[in-house]
Amino acid sequence: GQSLEQPSEVTAVEGAIVQINCTYQTSGFYGLSWYQQHDGGAPTFLSYNALDGLEETGRFSSFLSRSDSYGYLLLQELQMKDSASYFCAVRVLKAAGNKLTFGGGTRVLVKP
Amino acid sequence: ETGVTQSPTHLIKTRGQQVTLRCSSQSGHNTVSWYQQALGQGPQFIFQYYREEENGRGNFPPRFSGLQFPNYSSELNVNALELDDSALYLCASSPTGGWEETQYFGPGTRLLVL
Repeated sequence: GQSLEQPSEVTAVEGAIVQINCTYQTSGFYGLSWYQQHDGGAPTFLSYNALDGLEETGRFSSFLSRSDSYGYLLLQELQMKDSASYFCAVRVLKAAGNKLTFGGGTRVLVKP
Repeated sequence: ETGVTQSPTHLIKTRGQQVTLRCSSQSGHNTVSWYQQALGQGPQFIFQYYREEENGRGNFPPRFSGLQFPNYSSELNVNALELDDSALYLCASSPTGGWEETQYFGPGTRLLVL
């Protein structure tokens, strides 16, 4: 089976930088995705890493180290609208298409 | 381009009843996945449909079943509802279900079982 660990909650102030770590244990690892979900909303795709290294998309960046089974999502210049839950999710090479296995989520609270 | 849509948005059922949830995939997408998200947890994979065939299933009992139609829309059926089935049910679509593809989620159906 697969397991993913990420912190349950992070609090930061506007303008700060937050790093959300994700460690995973899985066989057949293919890639790591990150999703944002506001309360009552749908998960929204943020980024995807299949190879080691950093992917930058505006204020958000994601990093992957396959050898360490570890990744992180970096949120820069935090804004109030970034208050949400953030999920890491792995894609696994199995017969079941491109299903995602999600972590438990990290709730980010941005304070003024 | 139309995104993923789901209906209904909210539903209340009683234990033992049956429910059908519906999903229309994003335009051009032929793969639909269903996930269950309990409060405060991450989504859990139920099953995936590709070109009207089930293409993988998670750890859910047979009373969770599904269909995909020729227009790639999909239904999730749950029989003999239990209190623990109360959750947000999410549908996600991707172009062909390939490994490299991103899944795009709909707004979900919030089911409450009393």
